[in-house]
Parts: sequence; structure tokens; C-alpha cells
Amino acid sequence: AQSVTQLDSQVPVFEEAPVELRCNYSSSVSVYLFWYVQYPNQGLQLLLKYLSGSTLVESINGFEAEFNKSQTSFHLRKPSVHISDTAEYFCAVMDSGAGSYQLTFGKGTKLSVIP
Amino acid sequence: GAGVSQSPSNKVTEKGKDVELRCDPISGHTALYWYRQRLGQGLEFLIYFQGNSAPDKSGLPSDRFSAERTGESVSTLTIQRTQQEDSAVYLCASSLTWTTSSYEQYFGPGTRLTVT
Repeated sequence: AQSVTQLDSQVPVFEEAPVELRCNYSSSVSVYLFWYVQYPNQGLQLLLKYLSGSTLVESINGFEAEFNKSQTSFHLRKPSVHISDTAEYFCAVMDSGAGSYQLTFGKGTKLSVIP
Repeated sequence: GAGVSQSPSNKVTEKGKDVELRCDPISGHTALYWYRQRLGQGLEFLIYFQGNSAPDKSGLPSDRFSAERTGESVSTLTIQRTQQEDSAVYLCASSLTWTTSSYEQYFGPGTRLTVT
């Protein structure tokens, strides 16, 4: 069974500083990878996804993540964060051959952007 | 268009009572998922429905948990004889079929269940 590790439960960072939220998954079988974001008092929203092709994927609000198969990682990065990026970020994995398309989530990383 | 909706938004119940949680998926989405998020934990998969296929119940934690779905519409998650460890936010998600290759699950706002 898959497992997803988000090493940092909380990440404080100053506004306009860069940030990296780490995500590692357990299995080396073919996977799809996702980052979801949960803003305060809101539901989960998809931030970005990797299905195939280029290993670097980007979101519309400046986040990017790179799929690294050899390291089984899918770290999320942003070169300059804004106050509005304060949220909880969840990494998720789907086994592409499993058939049920369930997502396995990490425990989440709370990003706090400090003015 | 309308997103995934869930009701109630909050539910407080006494230990031992049964509860029923409802999910309305996005119209046209054939796949529906239930997840549970306990405090400080990531989301745990509970059950998956895809069209008229048999549901994948592999994530249900005990036989006190069950779920039904009417065709490709509403789903209800029932927890019988609730226990305090059932306290969590229960999230529903829906998605298009796998043939679209989108694999994106759209989440509802969740039902916060508190068992006293």
C-alpha cells in the first residue's frame, strides 16, 4: 500500500521569501501525483498535478512541483510567497494501475507567511 | 456550476447513536469518494463508487461504516453505534470517469462529526 510523507507539519516563512514543501511517497510503481491546498475555512482545492510528460508542473499562482522518480519525491516550491499563500498543503498519490483511483494523502503542511 | 455539496456541515451526536451523512456530487461525475480527516492527520480513503460497478469498500474501518449511492447521484455514509474515535471531518469528492484522463477529484466542504 502507498504511503505519503510530508516531513514538515508547519513551515513559517517571511513574505517574498522562497519556500519548499517536501513530499515523498513509498512505492515506485507508476503513480499520479497531486498537491491540494486548503485555505482557512475553505474546502480542498487541486493546486497542481503530475500525470505524465514533463516532470516539472506549474500552477496558475506561481507554485511548481517536480516529479523525481528515483527519489520518489514531488516537492512543492514557490520562489516568492505572498500572505495569501497561507494555507495547509496536502500531497497525494494515486496508483495509476490500481483501478479504484483512490488518493493516498500525506498529513499536510501548514504554511504560514509572515508579513 | 455547482460544486460538491455535503450535509449537514456539522453534526454532534452521542456515543452509540447512528448518523447519516449526505453528499451531492457534481452533475455528470460518475465517480464518488468518501474520505475521513481526523485531527492532525491526512485524509484517509473510505469508499469509492464508479457508476454501476461494485464499490471499493477497502478503506472502511469497521462494519459500523456503510455507504450507498443511488445511480450516479447522491451518496449517504452511515455510521452505526458511533464511537468517540469516529470524530472527524468526513469529506466527499467526485470526479469524471477515468476515461477522461483528468483524474481530478473535486472535494466538498465536509461534515464535521463530533461524538460526545
